[in-house]
Amino acid sequence: GENVEQHPSTLSVQEGDSAVIKCTYSDSASNYFPWYKQELGKRPQLIIDIRSNVGEKKDQRIAVTLNKTAKHFSLHITETQPEDSAVYFCAASISGTYKYIFGTGTRLKVLA
Amino acid sequence: GAGVSQSPRYKVTKRGQDVALRCDPISGHVSLYWYRQALGQGPEFLTYFNYEAQQDKSGLPNDRFSAERPEGSISTLTIQRTEQRDSAMYRCASSLADRGRETQYFGPGTRLLVL
Repeated sequence: GENVEQHPSTLSVQEGDSAVIKCTYSDSASNYFPWYKQELGKRPQLIIDIRSNVGEKKDQRIAVTLNKTAKHFSLHITETQPEDSAVYFCAASISGTYKYIFGTGTRLKVLA
Repeated sequence: GAGVSQSPRYKVTKRGQDVALRCDPISGHVSLYWYRQALGQGPEFLTYFNYEAQQDKSGLPNDRFSAERPEGSISTLTIQRTEQRDSAMYRCASSLADRGRETQYFGPGTRLLVL
């Protein structure tokens, strides 16, 4: 079946440093890739998304890159702040369906 | 405006009982998803509604699970004859359009514990 692999599972960075989370997907026809941030005890919230016709998208300190050939996409957070600490999930759409497959999550800890 | 709401927020039940979980999507949202999220894992797709039509139920684990959205707004996920392995966080999400590639807004979830 289709799947999404996400790495690393945990990531600790010093405040001000950059953080990178990577996901690999299996469905070559996937065309939509959202990223969600989930703080402890809260609901997942969309932080950025990218469609397959674009290679990169940026929103302030957050950027996502997509490599369709290699079937992987990455989340980049620059100038990290303690409030960036959360679990981040990537997801990929499944072609021909309304489904999304989510990654297993990355727990990011930003150390002050 | 009001976001996605779910009730109850917590449900403790005994094995073998039926439970009904309710989702109230954002007003006007066409698409509604149900997910199950185990602790430390990403959401796992269960089923999808476009208005009142259940267009994909391929993620429902077995026939004890069913869902409905009779008027294209509020949805109910029902689990019959609950088992301990059904314990999880159940979340719904809604999105404005039916193209399937729109922002999904998640609800707070119902944490189900089956004893």
